[in-house]
Amino acid sequence: KNEVEQSPQNLTAQEGEFITINCSYSVGISALHWLQQHPGGGIVSLFMLSSGKKKHGRLIATINIQEKHSSLHITASHPRDSAVYICAVSPPADKLIFGTGTRLQVFP
Amino acid sequence: DAGVTQSPTHLIKTRGQQVTLRCSPISGHKSVSWYQQVLGQGPQFIFQYYEKEERGRGNFPDRFSARQFPNYSSELNVNALLLGDSALYLCASSILPEANTEAFFGQGTRLTVV
Repeated sequence: KNEVEQSPQNLTAQEGEFITINCSYSVGISALHWLQQHPGGGIVSLFMLSSGKKKHGRLIATINIQEKHSSLHITASHPRDSAVYICAVSPPADKLIFGTGTRLQVFP
Repeated sequence: DAGVTQSPTHLIKTRGQQVTLRCSPISGHKSVSWYQQVLGQGPQFIFQYYEKEERGRGNFPDRFSARQFPNYSSELNVNALLLGDSALYLCASSILPEANTEAFFGQGTRLTVV
Protein backbone atom coordinates (compact mmCIF):
# COMPACT_ATOMS: atom_id res chain seq x y z
CA LYS A 1 0.00 0.00 0.00
CA ASN A 2 1.34 3.43 -0.95
CA GLU A 3 2.08 5.82 1.88
CA VAL A 4 0.28 8.59 -0.03
CA GLU A 5 -2.98 7.81 -1.81
CA GLN A 6 -4.85 10.21 -4.04
CA SER A 7 -8.36 10.06 -5.39
CA PRO A 8 -9.66 10.16 -7.95
CA GLN A 9 -6.88 9.10 -10.33
CA ASN A 10 -8.63 10.80 -13.23
CA LEU A 11 -11.19 13.58 -13.20
CA THR A 12 -13.06 15.33 -15.98
CA ALA A 13 -15.15 18.44 -15.44
CA GLN A 14 -17.03 21.10 -17.34
CA GLU A 15 -15.78 24.65 -17.14
CA GLY A 16 -17.15 26.35 -14.05
CA GLU A 17 -17.54 23.22 -11.95
CA PHE A 18 -16.24 22.94 -8.37
CA ILE A 19 -13.52 20.31 -8.14
CA THR A 20 -12.20 18.35 -5.18
CA ILE A 21 -9.10 16.15 -5.14
CA ASN A 22 -8.37 14.08 -2.05
CA CYS A 23 -5.12 12.90 -0.47
CA SER A 24 -4.74 10.41 2.37
CA TYR A 25 -1.44 9.48 3.95
CA SER A 26 -0.30 6.90 6.47
CA VAL A 27 2.89 8.43 7.91
CA GLY A 28 3.54 11.20 10.40
CA ILE A 29 4.32 14.43 8.62
CA SER A 30 5.63 17.90 9.27
CA ALA A 31 4.02 19.34 6.13
CA LEU A 32 1.93 18.43 3.09
CA HIS A 33 2.45 19.85 -0.38
CA TRP A 34 0.10 20.23 -3.30
CA LEU A 35 1.87 20.42 -6.65
CA GLN A 36 0.71 21.00 -10.21
CA GLN A 37 2.35 19.30 -13.18
CA HIS A 38 1.56 20.32 -16.74
CA PRO A 39 2.29 18.24 -19.87
CA GLY A 40 6.00 18.59 -20.50
CA GLY A 41 6.82 17.84 -16.91
CA GLY A 42 7.56 20.98 -14.95
CA ILE A 43 6.15 20.97 -11.42
CA VAL A 44 4.81 24.06 -9.67
CA SER A 45 4.30 24.21 -5.94
CA LEU A 46 0.73 25.32 -5.14
CA PHE A 47 0.59 24.98 -1.37
CA MET A 48 2.60 23.81 1.58
CA LEU A 49 0.52 23.38 4.72
CA SER A 50 0.78 21.78 8.11
CA SER A 51 -2.62 22.69 9.55
CA GLY A 52 -5.93 24.28 8.70
CA LYS A 53 -6.61 25.84 5.35
CA LYS A 54 -4.89 27.98 2.74
CA LYS A 55 -6.40 29.87 -0.19
CA HIS A 56 -4.78 31.27 -3.30
CA GLY A 57 -7.09 32.66 -5.94
CA ARG A 58 -9.52 29.92 -6.96
CA LEU A 59 -7.52 27.23 -5.16
CA ILE A 60 -8.16 26.12 -1.59
CA ALA A 61 -6.22 23.47 0.33
CA THR A 62 -7.26 21.96 3.62
CA ILE A 63 -5.63 19.46 5.91
CA ASN A 64 -6.85 17.40 8.85
CA ILE A 65 -3.78 16.14 10.69
CA GLN A 66 -5.76 13.83 13.00
CA GLU A 67 -7.44 12.10 10.07
CA LYS A 68 -4.29 12.20 7.91
CA HIS A 69 -6.26 13.69 5.05
CA SER A 70 -6.03 16.73 2.79
CA SER A 71 -8.19 18.11 0.02
CA LEU A 72 -7.48 20.47 -2.86
CA HIS A 73 -10.46 22.40 -4.15
CA ILE A 74 -10.71 24.39 -7.37
CA THR A 75 -13.61 26.79 -7.64
CA ALA A 76 -14.99 27.93 -11.01
CA SER A 77 -12.72 25.52 -12.89
CA HIS A 78 -11.26 26.57 -16.22
CA PRO A 79 -9.64 24.59 -19.07
CA ARG A 80 -6.26 26.06 -18.11
CA ASP A 81 -6.58 24.19 -14.80
CA SER A 82 -6.12 20.94 -16.75
CA ALA A 83 -3.02 19.31 -15.33
CA VAL A 84 -1.87 16.56 -13.00
CA TYR A 85 -2.21 17.49 -9.34
CA ILE A 86 0.20 15.74 -7.00
CA CYS A 87 0.05 15.47 -3.23
CA ALA A 88 3.38 15.03 -1.42
CA VAL A 89 4.11 14.69 2.29
CA SER A 90 7.17 15.62 4.32
CA PRO A 91 7.84 13.18 7.16
CA PRO A 92 10.00 14.88 9.79
CA ALA A 93 13.69 14.71 8.88
CA ASP A 94 12.91 12.65 5.78
CA LYS A 95 12.47 13.00 2.05
CA LEU A 96 9.28 14.00 0.24
CA ILE A 97 6.89 11.14 -0.50
CA PHE A 98 4.68 11.69 -3.53
CA GLY A 99 1.29 10.41 -4.50
CA THR A 100 0.75 9.17 -8.05
CA GLY A 101 -1.25 12.24 -9.00
CA THR A 102 -4.76 13.10 -10.17
CA ARG A 103 -5.14 13.89 -13.85
CA LEU A 104 -7.70 16.68 -14.27
CA GLN A 105 -9.23 17.68 -17.58
CA VAL A 106 -11.58 20.65 -17.71
CA PHE A 107 -13.61 21.02 -20.90
CA PRO A 108 -15.06 24.30 -22.18
CA ASP B 1 15.15 35.87 -10.86
CA ALA B 2 15.66 32.59 -12.73
CA GLY B 3 13.94 29.51 -11.39
CA VAL B 4 15.49 26.08 -11.18
CA THR B 5 17.05 25.28 -14.54
CA GLN B 6 17.82 21.82 -15.83
CA SER B 7 19.73 20.72 -18.89
CA PRO B 8 19.29 19.15 -21.26
CA THR B 9 15.51 19.14 -21.58
CA HIS B 10 15.43 15.95 -23.63
CA LEU B 11 17.97 13.22 -24.16
CA ILE B 12 18.07 9.92 -26.01
CA LYS B 13 20.70 7.35 -25.04
CA THR B 14 21.30 3.71 -25.84
CA ARG B 15 21.50 0.91 -23.32
CA GLY B 16 24.85 0.69 -21.60
CA GLN B 17 25.73 4.34 -22.12
CA GLN B 18 26.31 6.88 -19.41
CA VAL B 19 24.43 10.15 -18.93
CA THR B 20 24.98 13.36 -16.97
CA LEU B 21 22.09 15.64 -16.09
CA ARG B 22 22.59 19.14 -14.74
CA CYS B 23 20.67 21.38 -12.38
CA SER B 24 21.13 24.99 -11.34
CA PRO B 25 19.19 25.93 -8.21
CA ILE B 26 17.50 29.22 -7.48
CA SER B 27 20.00 31.80 -6.32
CA GLY B 28 20.45 31.50 -2.56
CA HIS B 29 19.20 27.92 -2.39
CA LYS B 30 21.79 25.55 -1.01
CA SER B 31 19.83 22.31 -1.12
CA VAL B 32 19.24 20.31 -4.30
CA SER B 33 17.22 17.12 -4.60
CA TRP B 34 16.86 14.77 -7.54
CA TYR B 35 13.75 12.74 -8.37
CA GLN B 36 12.88 10.14 -10.99
CA GLN B 37 9.36 10.13 -12.40
CA VAL B 38 8.39 7.16 -14.50
CA LEU B 39 5.38 7.67 -16.78
CA GLY B 40 2.14 7.48 -14.83
CA GLN B 41 3.81 7.49 -11.41
CA GLY B 42 4.68 10.08 -8.83
CA PRO B 43 8.29 11.23 -8.47
CA GLN B 44 10.65 8.98 -6.50
CA PHE B 45 13.46 10.45 -4.42
CA ILE B 46 17.00 9.72 -5.65
CA PHE B 47 19.40 12.08 -3.84
CA GLN B 48 19.54 15.19 -1.74
CA TYR B 49 22.61 17.41 -1.43
CA TYR B 50 23.14 20.31 0.93
CA GLU B 51 26.29 22.38 1.16
CA LYS B 52 28.00 19.90 -1.19
CA GLU B 53 27.34 16.97 1.15
CA GLU B 54 25.00 14.08 0.41
CA ARG B 55 22.11 14.34 2.87
CA GLY B 56 19.97 11.48 1.66
CA ARG B 57 19.79 8.71 -0.87
CA GLY B 58 16.74 6.86 -2.14
CA ASN B 59 16.43 3.23 -3.10
CA PHE B 60 18.40 3.41 -6.33
CA PRO B 61 21.35 1.26 -7.49
CA ASP B 62 24.95 2.39 -7.35
CA ARG B 63 24.77 3.17 -11.07
CA PHE B 64 23.19 6.43 -9.92
CA SER B 65 25.52 9.05 -8.45
CA ALA B 66 25.44 12.78 -7.94
CA ARG B 67 27.47 15.68 -6.70
CA GLN B 68 27.02 19.32 -5.78
CA PHE B 69 29.47 22.02 -6.72
CA PRO B 70 30.65 25.08 -4.73
CA ASN B 71 28.09 27.24 -6.60
CA TYR B 72 25.38 24.76 -5.42
CA SER B 73 24.63 23.48 -8.90
CA SER B 74 24.39 19.74 -9.16
CA GLU B 75 24.92 16.86 -11.57
CA LEU B 76 23.21 13.49 -11.62
CA ASN B 77 25.11 10.68 -13.33
CA VAL B 78 23.68 7.38 -14.40
CA ASN B 79 26.00 4.65 -15.66
CA ALA B 80 25.25 1.51 -17.66
CA LEU B 81 21.82 2.76 -18.70
CA LEU B 82 18.91 0.34 -18.75
CA LEU B 83 15.63 0.68 -20.62
CA GLY B 84 13.94 1.08 -17.25
CA ASP B 85 15.91 4.26 -16.59
CA SER B 86 13.72 6.02 -19.14
CA ALA B 87 11.93 8.68 -17.13
CA LEU B 88 11.57 12.35 -16.35
CA TYR B 89 14.34 13.43 -13.99
CA LEU B 90 13.37 16.34 -11.80
CA CYS B 91 15.57 18.61 -9.76
CA ALA B 92 14.24 20.65 -6.87
CA SER B 93 15.99 23.33 -4.86
CA SER B 94 15.23 24.76 -1.46
CA ILE B 95 16.84 27.15 0.97
CA LEU B 96 17.29 24.45 3.58
CA PRO B 97 17.32 20.65 3.36
CA GLU B 98 14.53 20.15 5.89
CA ALA B 99 11.53 18.39 4.40
CA ASN B 100 9.10 21.08 5.54
CA THR B 101 10.87 23.74 3.50
CA GLU B 102 9.16 24.73 0.27
CA ALA B 103 10.81 23.13 -2.74
CA PHE B 104 10.94 24.63 -6.22
CA PHE B 105 11.12 22.28 -9.16
CA GLY B 106 12.76 22.56 -12.55
CA GLN B 107 11.14 21.58 -15.83
CA GLY B 108 12.90 18.24 -15.79
CA THR B 109 15.05 16.28 -18.19
CA ARG B 110 13.21 13.63 -20.16
CA LEU B 111 15.57 10.70 -20.69
CA THR B 112 14.75 8.00 -23.20
CA VAL B 113 16.90 4.89 -23.26
CA VAL B 114 16.63 2.82 -26.44
